[in-house]
Amino acid sequence: NAGVTQTPKFQVLKTGQSMTLQCAQDMNHNSMYWYRQDPGMGLRLIYYSASEGTTDKGEVPNGYNVSRLNKREFSLRLESAAPSQTSVYFCASKGFSGNTIYFGEGSWLTVV
Amino acid sequence: KQEVTQIPAALSVPEGENLVLNCSFTDSAIYNLQWFRQDPGKGLTSLLLIQSSQREQTSGRLNASLDKSSGRSTLYIAASQPGDSATYLCAVDTGNQFYFGTGTSLTVIP
Repeated sequence: NAGVTQTPKFQVLKTGQSMTLQCAQDMNHNSMYWYRQDPGMGLRLIYYSASEGTTDKGEVPNGYNVSRLNKREFSLRLESAAPSQTSVYFCASKGFSGNTIYFGEGSWLTVV
Repeated sequence: KQEVTQIPAALSVPEGENLVLNCSFTDSAIYNLQWFRQDPGKGLTSLLLIQSSQREQTSGRLNASLDKSSGRSTLYIAASQPGDSATYLCAVDTGNQFYFGTGTSLTVIP
């Protein structure tokens, strides 16, 4: 099983550039999530999607947009990258409430 | 807002020692609590999940307990090994969202 797959794994952007992080899961999960992880701050939720066709803001949504393309895929877009968005981004998915959440391997993004 | 705290932030122990990692949360309205392991440069791997109605879960040398009323969970690692060196995170599931602690960085010295 591939589980949760994220692309790209590494990316360097210039300030003001845009990019999309892709995420796909093959576990038929309803819920998908995007987190960022920064030193000393733990994982913070950017956006989540409780089911296909719905998206909701998390703790730190500013500067990001998301799209739940179908049940499998949940993408995160940075429209105009800023150095403060330098971080490690994790996509995750979960079946029903009370179930285990599964994470991708992460995407390392540097904005210069 | 749910807040999750993990103490200590870092821990170094000699191989073979038993150890306890702590996790506390402020709101007891949770579906479950999960413990994760994260190796450097990697994603999070789920170790144990405790449903809100359960008191503990065991997997091999790992035992996790949950006291929902007091907002506490512990992860007990028996007979620690160098391969256990990693960061351990706890997270509470409130239904729509997970709230994570900042983790405990564990080093097991051979």
